[in-house]
Amino acid sequence: DTGVSQDPRHKITKRGQNVTFRCDPISEHNRLYWYRQTLGQGPEFLTYFQNEAQLEKSRLLSDRFSAERPKGSFSTLEIQRTEQGDSAMYLCASSLTDGSYNEQFFGPGTRLTVL
Amino acid sequence: AQSVTQLGSHVSVSEGALVLLRCNYSSSVPPYLFWYVQYPNQGLQLLLKYTSAATLVKGINGFEAEFKKSETSFHLTKPSAHMSDAAEYFCAVSRLTGGGNKLTFGTGTQLKVEL
Repeated sequence: DTGVSQDPRHKITKRGQNVTFRCDPISEHNRLYWYRQTLGQGPEFLTYFQNEAQLEKSRLLSDRFSAERPKGSFSTLEIQRTEQGDSAMYLCASSLTDGSYNEQFFGPGTRLTVL
Repeated sequence: AQSVTQLGSHVSVSEGALVLLRCNYSSSVPPYLFWYVQYPNQGLQLLLKYTSAATLVKGINGFEAEFKKSETSFHLTKPSAHMSDAAEYFCAVSRLTGGGNKLTFGTGTQLKVEL
């Protein structure tokens, strides 16, 4: 299967701990997106990369959140000093960009529970 | 700014009945509109998209949607519901230029299909 993969699928942590999630996009895709989905809501945009450059960050992405995409391949999303409000599903998506609209392919998500 | 509103957080239909899920959008530029489906503990799968070509868009699994500019609507329909259609459905809006094609989602509609 060559779809978008995310690791881990589930993460339970205690408040105040740091967590890191990984996303592996479809290999030829140069854009990578992170979204957050809380219970009963639709996904909300967090940030996106084109190759290794982080081009936009949402106001939802507080200073405790940092995302990287070294070498324009996989990406990591780190949350420092987790809070209970960070509990959510974190979704990664990837796409090509060629001037037309290209479909975003989503991974299965990482479900974070902060106790 | 762009947004979508999904009317009805829960919709219940009988197997074989018409499915109608409502979505209205707000956009200051010509929108691109999408419907995604999400099964439990899975990522999002694209059902169909409107990108300024034909206003009646056909998607996978027998779903279709019609873009109506005068009503700012993009409702999702399927003539005959199947048990396997039970899932959560999200309407989303984006634009081609600027904003990195990021998606803005509605709050979702949970579809229940009863025998």
